[in-house]
This record gives sequence, C-alpha cells and structure tokens, in this order.
Amino acid sequence: KAGVTQTPRYLIKTRGQQVTLSCSPISGHRSVSWYQQTPGQGLQFLFEYFSETQRNKGNFPGRFSGRQFSNSRSEMNVSTLELGDSALYLCASSFVRSGSSNEQFFGPGTRLTVL
Amino acid sequence: GESVGLHLPTLSVQEGDNSIINCAYSNSASDYFIWYKQESGKGPQFIIDIRSNMDKRQGQRVTVLLNKTVKHLSLQIAATQPGDSAVYFCAENSGGGADGLTFGKGTHLIIQP
Repeated sequence: KAGVTQTPRYLIKTRGQQVTLSCSPISGHRSVSWYQQTPGQGLQFLFEYFSETQRNKGNFPGRFSGRQFSNSRSEMNVSTLELGDSALYLCASSFVRSGSSNEQFFGPGTRLTVL
Repeated sequence: GESVGLHLPTLSVQEGDNSIINCAYSNSASDYFIWYKQESGKGPQFIIDIRSNMDKRQGQRVTVLLNKTVKHLSLQIAATQPGDSAVYFCAENSGGGADGLTFGKGTHLIIQP
C-alpha cells in the first residue's frame, strides 16, 4: 500500500508569511505526528493528532498549529514565518497513538525555506 | 555516539566490516526505543525497535542492544554494504505517547569501498 505522502515537497516563503503543509497518512492509520528537522536541533517533535484531536504537543510557539480531518489527513500551519523556521518538516503516521511498540512511518518531508 | 550542534559524529567503515553505532538516551522512564535510517533527501526509515523489558533484539543483519543501567543503546550492522550509508538516529518514547518520539542527533555512517 502507498506510504505517507507530503505536499508540497519544496516551498519557499518570505518572513512574515504563513504556510500550510499537508500530510496523507498510510491508509488505515489514525495517528499523525509532525516533526521539524534542522541541522542545529535535529529532529524535534511538534505535535500529534489522533482521531481529529491534538493529543500531544512539543515545545514550539503558538505560531505552529495543525489539524486532522476525518479521513486522517493532516495539515500543519506556520504563521508569521521567521528565518529560523527554515527546516525539513516531517510527517509520520501510525496505526494507533504514538507510544510503546507502535511503529511510525515517515513521509519524505517538506523542505521549507524562509527568505 | 551522539553530539549536539551542527556536526554529526561520523563513523567510517570498510565495506564488509561490522558497524556499531552508539546512542545515549536521557529519560529513564523511556520504555520503547527505535533506530531509524535516513538517506539523503528522504524521511527516516524504521530499522529495528526494542522494548525496555528486553536487552537484545535481532533483525536481518542488524542487532540492537539496550543497557538500561547506563541508558545506552547500540545498533550493530553486520557485513556493512554501500547501501547502508546514511544517517542513523536512535529515538526513545517515554510511554503513553507523551511528547512523541525524542530523537538523538544522529550518526553519519560512511562506507569505504
């Protein structure tokens, strides 16, 4: 079956703009987690959605938000973009909530560049 | 092993040799650990996982060892191949899904011909 897909793959924005990234999980998976990957900070957890509800949230400012739809597809939004938001944004899906013995499958990521 | 900052630790091995990648984790409450492989331009790919009630688990050409006493995790890759070149991350989950996965900074494995 198809893996996790993310759109767009590449995005260039300017400071102050907002951006919306999309993630389609593996069919049947109900949990979607978002991560930010940068050379300096590595992979950092943003938030997790399960059954359209945000279950967990990492240590990111309120400019970072997300949502999940009834078909489990998820979007994340970053408002008032800053240069430091330039990163690879990864989405991961799993069958149940992120937790013990629950493998997460990652998408290829969206490369966001803020100018 | 793991490090902070811009520079990933690098491990260079000869093709055919065994590789050992190390990881120190921080949360003694973590009960589930995963190794991921990330190739250039791709998302992390699951390699192998281990629960805290085990100290060793084997897969195809890979073995993960867990030492809870010193909070240390290692990934052993047997007979390293060129396709094993990638950045390897360990990740821990403290259980209950709180805060998602916590990733180490990664180790860049380079295979010498």
